[in-house]
Amino acid sequence: DSGVTQTPKHLITATGQRVTLRCSPRSGDLSVYWYQQSLDQGLQFLIQYYNGEERAKGNILERFSAQQFPDLHSELNLSSLELGDSALYFCASSVIDRGHGELFFGEGSRLTVL
Amino acid sequence: DQQVKQNSPSLSVQEGRISILNCDYTNSMFDYFLWYKKYPAEGPTFLISISSIKDKNEDGRFTVFLNKSAKHLSLHIVPSQPGDSAVYFCAASPYNFNKFYFGSGTKLNVKP
Repeated sequence: DSGVTQTPKHLITATGQRVTLRCSPRSGDLSVYWYQQSLDQGLQFLIQYYNGEERAKGNILERFSAQQFPDLHSELNLSSLELGDSALYFCASSVIDRGHGELFFGEGSRLTVL
Repeated sequence: DQQVKQNSPSLSVQEGRISILNCDYTNSMFDYFLWYKKYPAEGPTFLISISSIKDKNEDGRFTVFLNKSAKHLSLHIVPSQPGDSAVYFCAASPYNFNKFYFGSGTKLNVKP
């Protein structure tokens, strides 16, 4: 158990809909990262938050947005969903300040868009 | 633009032998390198890391080697065990850990 909690584990929805994925980081971790893994491909970096502020952006579509709340949990919002958005979405957290920077991943949210 | 590449999608090794997984990167600004292991239906699990100031880091059966001039790192598993069968991802990050770039993964199969 990494200590990172993601909900829901599975989600099935239709094209054009909007979903919210939730992530609770490990206790004490200030950074949250979101990754997308499509069909046995690598992990694509979407966005990073540190203590409530956006710190880095990757290949995140404009239809996607995220935020980190004062209690450090994070949400990834996916709107106007398309078939190609079907993927595993992973959240990871890290302390960073220790200078090591290991990411600890949740089990992922599997999104299926029909 | 794939900044971290794992060119071998799969590797099959006999139990007890050495497994060598390779990874190449293109960005000389990367300062920190990691290996993750992933089982089906689970999130990636941190395995071992190495800073750019080192060329080798060992943890039990796992050793990571870094060749900065070649922009290459490798993970050695000795001896390999059937429970090591999983997908292995290498990752790289600049010094500020703002982004971690992952390779596409190598599926390791350790045969009993």
